[in-house]
Amino acid sequence: GENVEQHPSTLSVQEGDSAVIKCTYSDSASNYFPWYKQELGKGPQLIIDIRSNVGEKKDQRIAVTLNKTAKHFSLHITETQPEDSAVYFCAASRGGKLIFGQGTELSVKP
Amino acid sequence: SQTIHQWPATLVQPVGSPLSLECTVEGTSNPNLYWYRQAAGRGLQLLFYSVGIGQISSEVPQNLSASRPQDRQFILSSKKLLLSDSGFYLCAWQHGTGGADGYTFGSGTRLTVV
Repeated sequence: GENVEQHPSTLSVQEGDSAVIKCTYSDSASNYFPWYKQELGKGPQLIIDIRSNVGEKKDQRIAVTLNKTAKHFSLHITETQPEDSAVYFCAASRGGKLIFGQGTELSVKP
Repeated sequence: SQTIHQWPATLVQPVGSPLSLECTVEGTSNPNLYWYRQAAGRGLQLLFYSVGIGQISSEVPQNLSASRPQDRQFILSSKKLLLSDSGFYLCAWQHGTGGADGYTFGSGTRLTVV
């Protein structure tokens, strides 16, 4: 079955710097890759997703890149702000159930 | 628009007591429904999922059970809670089209077993 590895487990950056979180997946048939942000005490929220027919997608300060050959995808956050501090999860799917990474705790220091 | 409701938000229960957590979805039909738990740490552990009324798949042997009595209702239950059942329980729904799509999570239930 699918396996998703996420790195790093914790990430600390200064406000204004960029943050990058990386995920690798094992099932080459996976074709959908969402990213979730979970703030303390809340449910995860979808922040951006990408499908396998696209290599990159951007939404304001957030972007996701996908390398199907290498089976990895990354979340890029530019000009980080304190409110970006949260736990981020990547996931992969080829239909139906999502397989999640282990999560990355991002801390943005003012 | 679609919404997901999960309650209660917090719950403190004694060991050995029963549990019932409810999740309902509005604005869609035939969704896939999921129950996750977050124990100590950050990981999302899939407990149960359902692709239709009465259809429940269990991912991990637990002291828990799930039921889907109606299309948009998903219930997580236990007859006798254990200390290890403490955690943050999340319900999620997904379009049941069979294609690749994201989840929408509920706001979660913080369960503390004492």
